[in-house]
Amino acid sequence: GEEVAQTPKHLVRGEGQKAKLYCAPIKGHSYVFWYQQVLKNEFKFLISFQNENVFDETGMPKERFSAKCLPNSPCSLEIQATKLEDSAVYFCASSQSGLLQETQYFGPGTRLLVL
Amino acid sequence: LAKTTQPISMDSYEGQEVNITCSHNNIATNDYITWYQQFPSQGPRFIIQGYKTKVTNEVASLFIPADRKSSTLSLPRVSLSDTAVYYCLVVPGGSARQLTFGSGTQLTVLP
Repeated sequence: GEEVAQTPKHLVRGEGQKAKLYCAPIKGHSYVFWYQQVLKNEFKFLISFQNENVFDETGMPKERFSAKCLPNSPCSLEIQATKLEDSAVYFCASSQSGLLQETQYFGPGTRLLVL
Repeated sequence: LAKTTQPISMDSYEGQEVNITCSHNNIATNDYITWYQQFPSQGPRFIIQGYKTKVTNEVASLFIPADRKSSTLSLPRVSLSDTAVYYCLVVPGGSARQLTFGSGTQLTVLP
């Protein structure tokens, strides 16, 4: 498609429950990025993929967060045993070549609320 | 990565030209200056990018002085729908890395 699609739009979980978020990048884009926006304007990079391969995972909290981008499937970000501090909006972005001077196209985000 | 500094908030009225200045004193030779816009409940959206001098597209203009230590995003004749957060980013060219967002500038356009 011509837009990055993210599902679900909203997700509510109790502490300790699992949360799984999905992202369909723009068709033909090779790179996928996940960001977390906790406070209104603060973004944190989580992980990036080049096709189905992890490209950079330096931002991932290793213990509870995992992500995949499998061929012919939406990418996913999974949080095991959610904590209150995981409440945030999670954005997925895609780009064609991954070059930083190239535009990253963002999805509408998934708002996760952990109670 | 070069740190960016921009005003936290700005107010303007419909029809006015708005200029948002961003300082990036430690910009490196291969860095580009990029601006994104974020509306409430939406993901950031690319507005404009430049390396030096002036760049103009259908949405905005970007002015970059010769020393490249600052840049100014210019929005001509803003409307209420331009109310958003505007982020100035310095992005190293040629490497596939994540974007680093600062705090952004909340622009509020008043009727």
